[in-house]
Amino acid sequence: AQSVTQPDIHITVSEGASLELRCNYSYGATPYLFWYVQSPGQGLQLLLKYFSGDTLVQGIKGFEAEFKRSQSSFNLRKPSVHWSDAAEYFCAVGHTSGTYKYIFGTGTRLKVLA
Amino acid sequence: GAGVSQSPSNKVTEKGKDVELRCDPISGHTALYWYRQRLGQGLEFLIYFQGNSAPDKSGLPSDRFSAERTGESVSTLTIQRTQQEDSAVYLCASSLDALYEQYFGPGTRLTVT
Repeated sequence: AQSVTQPDIHITVSEGASLELRCNYSYGATPYLFWYVQSPGQGLQLLLKYFSGDTLVQGIKGFEAEFKRSQSSFNLRKPSVHWSDAAEYFCAVGHTSGTYKYIFGTGTRLKVLA
Repeated sequence: GAGVSQSPSNKVTEKGKDVELRCDPISGHTALYWYRQRLGQGLEFLIYFQGNSAPDKSGLPSDRFSAERTGESVSTLTIQRTQQEDSAVYLCASSLDALYEQYFGPGTRLTVT
């Protein structure tokens, strides 16, 4: 069955440090890939998306993600984390395989140390 | 333009009562989704509507849960005979079409006492 895995439940980084959040998917073809952020007390917001083309995509708030077909991964990165980046991050995959499916990962909670 | 709206924002109900949650999607969005998010947990898919196609109900946890959508407009999620384990935030999202990015509403926080 298709699945999305975010192996890190919690990540803690210092402000100014770089960040990488991992996302792996299980699906035969190239899916549509998304990263969402859920800040404390706020709704879910799209950070970036990949449909096709350039495998490195830029998003809002200085985030980027790279699609690696060989590794079935779509990791989220930021070169320098800000305290306001503390939030929960969800990777999502959309695909059609007979029927349409849109699957969210279980999320990674990011804590930023001052 | 207006985003996805949900009402009520908070609902406290007694165990055994029925509740109805409402979602107003972004105008023109053909796809609509309902999710449940328990405290500290991820998103649990409940149901998906796409245009006039039959909804994908594969995520509904029991027959106490049902949802309707009229055309490409408002959707209601109904929970009958609520149980304490139904306490969660219920999120609605809409998208222009299947596989496009989803725009989320603020959610309805349901507390069953």
